[in-house]
Parts: sequence; structure tokens; C-alpha cells
Amino acid sequence: DAKTTQPPSMDCAEGRAANLPCNHSTISGNEYVYWYRQIHSQGPQYIIHGLKNNETNEMASLIITEDRKSSTLILPHATLRDTAVYYCIVRFQGAQKLVFGQGTRLTINP
Amino acid sequence: DAGITQSPRHKVTETGTPVTLRCHQTENHRYMYWYRQDPGHGLRLIHYSYGVKDTDKGEVSDGYSVSRSKTEDFLLTLESATSSQTSVYFCAIKGQGPQFEAFFGQGTRLTVV
Repeated sequence: DAKTTQPPSMDCAEGRAANLPCNHSTISGNEYVYWYRQIHSQGPQYIIHGLKNNETNEMASLIITEDRKSSTLILPHATLRDTAVYYCIVRFQGAQKLVFGQGTRLTINP
Repeated sequence: DAGITQSPRHKVTETGTPVTLRCHQTENHRYMYWYRQDPGHGLRLIHYSYGVKDTDKGEVSDGYSVSRSKTEDFLLTLESATSSQTSVYFCAIKGQGPQFEAFFGQGTRLTVV
């Protein structure tokens, strides 16, 4: 699986959009981008995934650049409950396991 | 919580003793996983299973064994616990859909003294 690079920490004001970047410059055509988050002491939670098109669900939006070498997870209206570690993961199509990196610790400030 | 239960939730054990952690699921998922999480290392895959009696190693499998004799149970065993195995252990299952939506248990905090 391609390696991902994320900033170790970010801050965002409550009510604003939180934009979390992820670099995956060695991604191949059959690799998907997944985002998970882990709220303090809990197990990780799936957020969203995509291949090359932008995706949106009730939790977040995923923007993938045209060359697929980077992506951004957007939480449109961040709340204090969005404070968590966010993991960007690249997974080869058909691979049956997820490999987590260090993630980004996002802090939402009141 | 996708019907995942980990037991025990907390355990303190002595070095050299065997320890078994249990992951139980109620939804008949094929794939199950054991991860450990330590400060500075994030989540690391220990072992995973793709069916009854079918298991494979992850990135940090040394010192651990697993068994899956029933679909619903995935056991992680530390044959002889060491202090380096003090960690939080998470079990996960892979959902049935084509995307890799994994559901995690609440974790087991294991302390080896």
C-alpha cells in the first residue's frame, strides 16, 4: 500500500470548516483513499473513502486531486465532538487489511 | 457498534503468564482483526482472520497467536506475556459491503507487570 503523510496536529475553530490534508504521492491506480477517525480512547470509526472522484456523505467530504497524489478531508461545520485523531489510509483494491499511520490530531476550539 | 464485544476490557497480568483476549461478533462477518495501539506507534495490525480456521499475520505478530474456531469468536493469545505487550488492543470486523468499512470494538487495556 502507498505511504501517506499527514500533519501531526491541526486546530480549527468550532463552526468553521476543518480541512485535513493527506499526501499519497506514490498512490497507484487501484488504490483507494480511506479516512477514519479515533475519538479519545475509542476504536476508530470509518468516515469516507474514494478512488478518484470527490465524495460526500453525512459526515464529511473527500476531495482528491486530479493526479490523485493528495486529498483533503473536509468537515464542513466542525463541532467540539469532532476533536479526534484522523487517519488517511491508502488501500489496494482487494486488500483485506488496513494499515494505519500516525494520523492528524485535530483539536476543535470553542 | 456493529455487535462487537471485547473481553475483558481491562486486565493486569504478570510477566510470563499466558493471556487470552476475546473478540465476539454477532453479525456473521467473515473478516476479523486484532490491532494494538501504543503511544507513538498508532494502530498496528497483529493478526487477522478471513474465516474459520483461516488466519494470517500482520505487521507485529511476534509473541502472539490467534484462533478462530467459530465465525463469531476471534481469540488473541499472548503465550508468555512481556512488559512490551502492555498496550490497548482493538478488535475489528470488516463490513459486508464492497468498501472497506471496518468496525472496531471498544478496546482492551492490558497491563503486564
